[in-house]
Amino acid sequence: EPEVTQTPSHQVTQMGQEVILRCVPISNHLYFYWYRQILGQKVEFLVSFYNNEISEKSEIFDDQFSVERPDGSNFTLKIRSTKLEDSAMYFCASSASSGSYNEQFFGPGTRLTVL
Amino acid sequence: AQSVSQHNHHVILSEAASLELGCNYSYGGTVNLFWYVQYPGQHLQLLLKYFSGDPLVKGIKGFEAEFIKSKFSFNLRKPSVQWSDTAEYFCAVNADDKIIFGKGTRLHILP
Repeated sequence: EPEVTQTPSHQVTQMGQEVILRCVPISNHLYFYWYRQILGQKVEFLVSFYNNEISEKSEIFDDQFSVERPDGSNFTLKIRSTKLEDSAMYFCASSASSGSYNEQFFGPGTRLTVL
Repeated sequence: AQSVSQHNHHVILSEAASLELGCNYSYGGTVNLFWYVQYPGQHLQLLLKYFSGDPLVKGIKGFEAEFIKSKFSFNLRKPSVQWSDTAEYFCAVNADDKIIFGKGTRLHILP
């Protein structure tokens, strides 16, 4: 069964450094998402992406964040200058369609630790 | 604003006990509801979903959930839990193409 994959599984970085989190969505999916879960808190929506454009972003997704689909398979989340409060589990998701009736498939997550 | 509330943060049960995890949502539009499970060290997996039709939805591993529109609820149930059901369970609603999650319920099953 096709799955969403994410790399790395765990990333440790120093405050102020740039990080890139990578995701390979399911191959025939066209809609991509990032979510994050700060330890002990709920999973929160960050951004949705379709046709090489951001469709929607939350207030968490400020200028320090960017997303890109650099080739036909990868979907990346970049944090330009990490802060301590960016430490979280980051989940990528993809779906074949959009809207309220779509089912999003989640990856295993990348645990980001900012020191 | 859209929100999802899960009543229990941590539940401990013995094997063979019955399970009910509460979930209430707040959303003005057409609701599409989900329960996800996250086993230790693993990724989020879909347990079951409700889009329309029969409000009693059956999912994988013997789980079911009932959508009660008048109560804005979507409680998860299982008649007899197993040790392998130890995991974190998330109720969620699809609100205009983004998933809104509850805070999760950590379920611990005693062997």
